Amino acid sequence: NAGVTQTPKFQVLKTGQSMTLQCAQDMNHEYMSWYRQDPGMGLRLIHYSVGAGITDQGEVPNGYNVSRSTTEDFPLRLLSAAPSQTSVYFCASSSPGLAGSDTQYFGPGTRLTVL
Amino acid sequence: QQQVKQSPQSLIVQKGGISIINCAYENTAFDYFPWYQQFPGKGPALLIAIRPDVSEKKEGRFTISFNKSAKQFSLHIMDSQPGDSATYFCAASINDYKLSFGAGTTVTVRA
Repeated sequence: NAGVTQTPKFQVLKTGQSMTLQCAQDMNHEYMSWYRQDPGMGLRLIHYSVGAGITDQGEVPNGYNVSRSTTEDFPLRLLSAAPSQTSVYFCASSSPGLAGSDTQYFGPGTRLTVL
Repeated sequence: QQQVKQSPQSLIVQKGGISIINCAYENTAFDYFPWYQQFPGKGPALLIAIRPDVSEKKEGRFTISFNKSAKQFSLHIMDSQPGDSATYFCAASINDYKLSFGAGTTVTVRA
């Protein structure tokens, strides 16, 4: 299993540009989430999904859109990038209802710089 | 406003020493308290986790102590090794997929 994969690893955008951060998992997990990591603030939840076709907002959703058309994929869209969105973005997945299923598996991250 | 407060921000320990990281929370509805370990350039990985029905959980050199009445929990790293040098995050959640993280503690183990 590849686990959770994210592309790209690095990205530089200009203010106002749009882009999509890709996330995929091959563990058949129902739950997927996006977090951003900023120095001194830990990881903060942006959006999450409990299954295909179901998404909801996390702690810091403004400026981001998500959709979940398949169990495997959970892309994060920035419609008009702002310097405040410079961060490292992590995708995570987990599966409910099984013993020991509390573990969220994180991808390697995408480092985004908005100029 | 962070729902989980973590301290210290960083610590340095000698090889073989004990590292202690503390976290505090306010929301009594939290029912799952994991610790994640992150190495530079990598995503966080689950290290150890506890539910509030137990006061302590040990896995190898890593121990979580949990004080429900004080709404505090801590990570102890015994016999710290240079390979333990990483950033550690405490977290809490009401369900399994919406984690609230602490700000992180950078641990440096000196040989």
